[in-house]
Amino acid sequence: DQQVKQNSPSLSVQEGRISILNCDYTNSMFDYFLWYKKYPAEGPTFLISISSIKDKNEDGRFTVFLNKSAKHLSLHIVPSQPGDSAVYFCAALHSGGGADGLTFGKGTHLIIQP
Amino acid sequence: EAQVTQNPRYLITVTGKKLTVTCSQNMNHEYMSWYRQDPGLGLRQIYYSMNVEVTDKGDVPEGYKVSRKEKRNFPLILESPSPNQTSLYFCASSSRTNSYNEQFFGPGTRLTVL
Repeated sequence: DQQVKQNSPSLSVQEGRISILNCDYTNSMFDYFLWYKKYPAEGPTFLISISSIKDKNEDGRFTVFLNKSAKHLSLHIVPSQPGDSAVYFCAALHSGGGADGLTFGKGTHLIIQP
Repeated sequence: EAQVTQNPRYLITVTGKKLTVTCSQNMNHEYMSWYRQDPGLGLRQIYYSMNVEVTDKGDVPEGYKVSRKEKRNFPLILESPSPNQTSLYFCASSSRTNSYNEQFFGPGTRLTVL
């Protein structure tokens, strides 16, 4: 059973507009959430994170929103740039679980069109 | 430069021929982990290690072994590879001093088992 779901395998957005990537989770023990960005032939790189005690975290063009009651988070990129074209993975962690393993979603391929 | 390295980056082998994928990090991280990425399945954790001589199974450990004799190295061993282990493998590390930190990923090893 998938505990972290990214229901959109791909998303196409025009350059300069806002990109919104969505992620849902089912495990209520998750209390820390991360977004990773992955280019072809490279490993994932950390983008932004949010603790469950917050509902928003912002870093430059990237903002992550967390709605705990809905078990939903989203990543907003504004304005979208060509270099943002990549696969984005949502990941979740139970910080008290001891294993520190991240549970990943399947990823969303973001395509920024000129 | 802080990094996680993996070798080899690409490997084609035959069923049953034992192989080892090495992983090394130069950040003095306590935590290391192996993931595999498969189309439509995202990243799944194979094994992880909280520190030297401490390893444990992740979500998909069958067919794999690991060892952690030194802090910097965390090799992934396939004693008898099978075609269903054809995948893209990522090693990751993180520091336990910050439980909510981001994991640093290696560049990936693409393995094909014929």
